[in-house]
Amino acid sequence: DAMVIQNPRYQVTQFGKPVTLSCSQTLNHNVMYWYQQKSSQAPKLLFHYYDKDFNNEADTPDNFQSRRPNTSFCFLDIRSPGLGDAAMYLCATSRDQGWDEQYFGPGTRLTVT
Amino acid sequence: GESVGLHLPTLSVQEGDNSIINCAYSNSASDYFIWYKQESGKGPQFIIDIRSNMDKRQGQRVTVLLNKTVKHLSLQIAATQPGDSAVYFCAENPGGYNKLIFGAGTRLAVHP
Repeated sequence: DAMVIQNPRYQVTQFGKPVTLSCSQTLNHNVMYWYQQKSSQAPKLLFHYYDKDFNNEADTPDNFQSRRPNTSFCFLDIRSPGLGDAAMYLCATSRDQGWDEQYFGPGTRLTVT
Repeated sequence: GESVGLHLPTLSVQEGDNSIINCAYSNSASDYFIWYKQESGKGPQFIIDIRSNMDKRQGQRVTVLLNKTVKHLSLQIAATQPGDSAVYFCAENPGGYNKLIFGAGTRLAVHP
């Protein structure tokens, strides 16, 4: 059974048109993360939630926002997508902070036209 | 540090051979290291981890070696199978809130 679910798996949006990516988890984990992975590159952390506390990485552009309305769901909002934002977006969860294993979803591949 | 580059290094091995994938990490304060396997179109999958108070850890067909002196990590896969073909990333946790910093990745290609 899928534990970290991302919808949609493929998303196409237009340049400048806001888009929202969705992640849900059945693990009841406290921490949820969003990573950006560009082609042939490593995943890069954008931000994470520890429970309701939002933690932004220093180099994450303001164009990227996130919401976590409850334990199970977390959303990635891209306010004005540029061509450079085309990437795979990965959601991950961990039970807690520290040394806990992170469980990744299958990712959403975003195309910007 | 950040990983950059458009082309992943590739390790090609024959089915049944042992594979060794290497990784250099950047932060001497990192105390937890993980190897992930990522197949095409999928999210990274946990393989094995090691804490900084160890220099070797074994799993099923996999072994991770940690050399803190030279900040080097390696993943050994015994009797490599076609299903092992994927991109392998090492990741380091510099402490604090479980932030993972991923290495550049190595593509493993297994030939019959």
